[in-house]
Amino acid sequence: DAMVIQNPRYQVTQFGKPVTLSCSQTLNHNVMYWYQQKSSQAPKLLFHYYDKDFNNEADTPDNFQSRRPNTSFCFLDIRSPGLGDAAMYLCATSRPGSSSTDTQYFGPGTRLTVL
Amino acid sequence: DAKTTQPPSMDCAEGRAANLPCNHSTISGNEYVYWYRQIHSQGPQYIIHGLKNNETNEMASLIITEDRKSSTLILPHATLRDTAVYYCIVSPYSSASKIIFGSGTRLSIRP
Repeated sequence: DAMVIQNPRYQVTQFGKPVTLSCSQTLNHNVMYWYQQKSSQAPKLLFHYYDKDFNNEADTPDNFQSRRPNTSFCFLDIRSPGLGDAAMYLCATSRPGSSSTDTQYFGPGTRLTVL
Repeated sequence: DAKTTQPPSMDCAEGRAANLPCNHSTISGNEYVYWYRQIHSQGPQYIIHGLKNNETNEMASLIITEDRKSSTLILPHATLRDTAVYYCIVSPYSSASKIIFGSGTRLSIRP
């Protein structure tokens, strides 16, 4: 089945040690999003790629970066994780203007722990 | 800021219809109403969306008021698996729409 895959599901890193989370999709969607969801809060959009165009949210810290080497893959890099970056990170995709909807399809998320 | 207002929690008996309200009084003409839900420890899942007509699919029905300032998501026969946080979102169509999640409604289904 076509889907959004996130690896790993659980990631532990040390304070200040760079970490990369990955997302892949078999939906052939041209938009990919990264959200951060802290405990008991709603997901918050960090940035998205529309094809190769990167769109950063105004309040996303510089510590968070993203790469999209091709249509299928997108990476979230946290350059120097702090304790406050512990959260669930959700990847989503969409295909604007498609005949169906501009709905977003979410992966299962990666839960990041910072020690 | 989220453009929608939802009750923080609701409960419903299993097998009954769950009716989840949402206020979106500042909705503009090109914005759709979307509903997503998030089951514990999973990513959000799309449920349904609509512009001004009522919509129904295999998961739920969406009733939008004539003035479009509020809507109701209806799960016709709630099961324990419907326990989740339900998010009502307004967003323009046909763009890389940014979902601004509000706080949602935590729906508990009791046996």
